Amino acid sequence: NAGVTQTPKFQVLKTGQSMTLQCAQDMNHEYMSWYRQDPGMGLRLIHYSVGAGITDQGEVPNGYNVSRSTTEDFPLRLLSAAPSQTSVYFCASRTINDGYTFGSGTRLTVV
Amino acid sequence: GDSVTQMEGPVTLSEEAFLTINCTYTATGYPSLFWYVQYPGEGLQLLLKATKADDKGSNKGFEATYRKETTSFHLEKGSVQVSDSAVYFCALSDYGNKLVFGAGTILRVKS
Repeated sequence: NAGVTQTPKFQVLKTGQSMTLQCAQDMNHEYMSWYRQDPGMGLRLIHYSVGAGITDQGEVPNGYNVSRSTTEDFPLRLLSAAPSQTSVYFCASRTINDGYTFGSGTRLTVV
Repeated sequence: GDSVTQMEGPVTLSEEAFLTINCTYTATGYPSLFWYVQYPGEGLQLLLKATKADDKGSNKGFEATYRKETTSFHLEKGSVQVSDSAVYFCALSDYGNKLVFGAGTILRVKS
């Protein structure tokens, strides 16, 4: 049971480049979320999904897009990377009665 | 909106010392409360949870009690080990699918 798998683990982008952070879970969880972690700020919610075909914005959605075409996958897209998006990104999934299961994270640096 | 406040760190303790990390919350409803732990270079792991007032969550020697009257969920452990060194996050979930995190508290345990 792999849980929540995130790829890549590390990425360096130039300002203005685009990329997709991948997230996949094999637990048949309905809920999935993307968070970013910055020093002294805890984790902040970017986007979330309550099921395939349904997504919504979190606390800090600007500059990010998501889609949920299947229950398993929840990719996060950066359309035009900015230095302010340098962060560690975590994907997480859950069922209604349990806490979230987190992936191991993607460390993104935008130069 | 909902919010979580944790004591600032880092907290530095000697092995076998007693640990308390304070956490208070603000929420409009009746949230579920969580403690997550993040070891260096890893994602977050659920440590314990409580879903209603007066519930006590416990795991690996850690405990926290959901105190509605003081809106608190303090984390305690009677005797810490070097392996407990990590970042601890208090979090709440008010509507089932969104987690709101505190800023995190770094714990360092010296042998």
